[in-house]
Amino acid sequence: AQTVTQSQPEMSVQEAETVTLSCTYDTSESDYYLFWYKQPPSRQMILVIRQEAYKQQNATENRFSVNFQKAAKSFSLKISDSQLGDAAMYFCAYRSPNYGGSQGNLIFGKGTKLSVKP
Amino acid sequence: NAGVTQTPKFRVLKTGQSMTLLCAQDMNHEYMYWYRQDPGMGLRLIHYSVGEGTTAKGEVPDGYNVSRLKKQNFLLGLESAAPSQTSVYFCASSYGWKYEQYFGPGTRLTVT
Repeated sequence: AQTVTQSQPEMSVQEAETVTLSCTYDTSESDYYLFWYKQPPSRQMILVIRQEAYKQQNATENRFSVNFQKAAKSFSLKISDSQLGDAAMYFCAYRSPNYGGSQGNLIFGKGTKLSVKP
Repeated sequence: NAGVTQTPKFRVLKTGQSMTLLCAQDMNHEYMYWYRQDPGMGLRLIHYSVGEGTTAKGEVPDGYNVSRLKKQNFLLGLESAAPSQTSVYFCASSYGWKYEQYFGPGTRLTVT
């Protein structure tokens, strides 16, 4: 079974600085999808960025980018120019490409709480 | 376009009571999901549906039942609530298996 591990329960960053959140996963599959979700105090789960395993190029979305290391099974999220509104829980998630069983099931890590200091 | 909505937002139950959580989506998505989120843990899949009239078990299905009578609605039922079911429940939907899942705002359920 696939597992997702976020080893940093809490992180802190100064406003305008850069922070990197870590995520590792375990899978025997060669093709899959990886996601970072943001959950602010409002509880709403918001997709930040996604990465297809077959793509070598790292995904970027404005100030958010990932460092995808397939061989190392690592998927870290870099937030540049951190803003107060970035303060939230961040969840890394894995999704299998398989149609059978848990179709499209997202497997989540336990999350990293990011604080942004003014 | 409301996206994914959940009713109610908060609920308190006594042990043994029953209730139904309603999830509705207006994006014409085929796939719908119910997750629970407990402190210090990520979301875990309870049940899911790949289309109207279909349901399937996820990672933690015990104590819950679901129904998908209409494409836009996915109901989660607790027949006999237990304190272990105190949690925040999220509904999500997606166009297909490889597409982004859109989440509702969550329902905080407390069982005393």
